[in-house]
Amino acid sequence: AQSVTQPDIHITVSEGASLELRCNYSYGATPYLFWYVQSPGQGLQLLLKYFSGDTLVQGNKGFEAEFKRSQSSFNLRKPSVHWSDAAEYFCAVGASGTASKLTFGTGTRLQVTL
Amino acid sequence: DAGVTQSPTHLIKTRGQHVTLRCSPISGHKSVSWYQQVLGQGPQFIFQYYEKEERGRGNFPDRFSARQFPNYSSELNVNALLLGDSALYLCASRGGARNSYNSPLHFGNGTRLTVT
Repeated sequence: AQSVTQPDIHITVSEGASLELRCNYSYGATPYLFWYVQSPGQGLQLLLKYFSGDTLVQGNKGFEAEFKRSQSSFNLRKPSVHWSDAAEYFCAVGASGTASKLTFGTGTRLQVTL
Repeated sequence: DAGVTQSPTHLIKTRGQHVTLRCSPISGHKSVSWYQQVLGQGPQFIFQYYEKEERGRGNFPDRFSARQFPNYSSELNVNALLLGDSALYLCASRGGARNSYNSPLHFGNGTRLTVT
C-alpha cells in the first residue's frame, strides 16, 4: 500500500520569501503524485500533478514541484510567496488503476507574515 | 459551470443516530468519490462509485454505505454514529474513463459533521 509523509506540520514564511514544502511517498511502482491546497472552510483544489516525463512540473499560482525518484520525494516550491498563499497544503499519491483513490499526507499549514 | 456541490454544509447529530450526506458531481462526471477528513489529518478515501456501481472501498466499517443515482449524484450514509465520525466529509467527481488519471479529481467544499 502507498503512503505519504509530510514532515512539516506548520511553516511560517515572510511575504516575498521562497517556499519549499516537503513530501515523501512510499509506493513500489511509478507513482501518480499530486499537490492540493485547502483554504479554511473549502474543499481541495489541485495545484499540480506528476504522472511521467519531465520531473519538474509547473502548476497553478506560480507553484512548481520536482519528482525525485531516488529520494522518493515530490517537494513543492514557490520562488516568492504571497499573503494569499496562506492555506493548508496536501501531498497525495495514487496507484495505477485507482485514479479516484488517493492517499493523502497529513498536510502542512502555511502561514505568511507581512 | 457549477462545481461539485454538497449538502448540507453543516450537520450536528447525536451518537447512535443515522446521517445522509448528498453530493452532486460536475455535469458530465460519472465518477464520484467520498473522503473523510478528520481535524488535523489529510482526507481518507471511503468509496468510489462509477456508473452507479461501487468500484472501490477504503478501510471503513460497514456502518458506512453509499449509492449513486442515475443522474450520477450520490449519497453517503453513516449508521450508528460514533463521536469519532465527526469530520469533514468531502465528495469528489471526475470525468473521463473509470480509472484514468488524465482527468483530475474535483472536490466539493464538504459537509462538516459533528457528533455529540
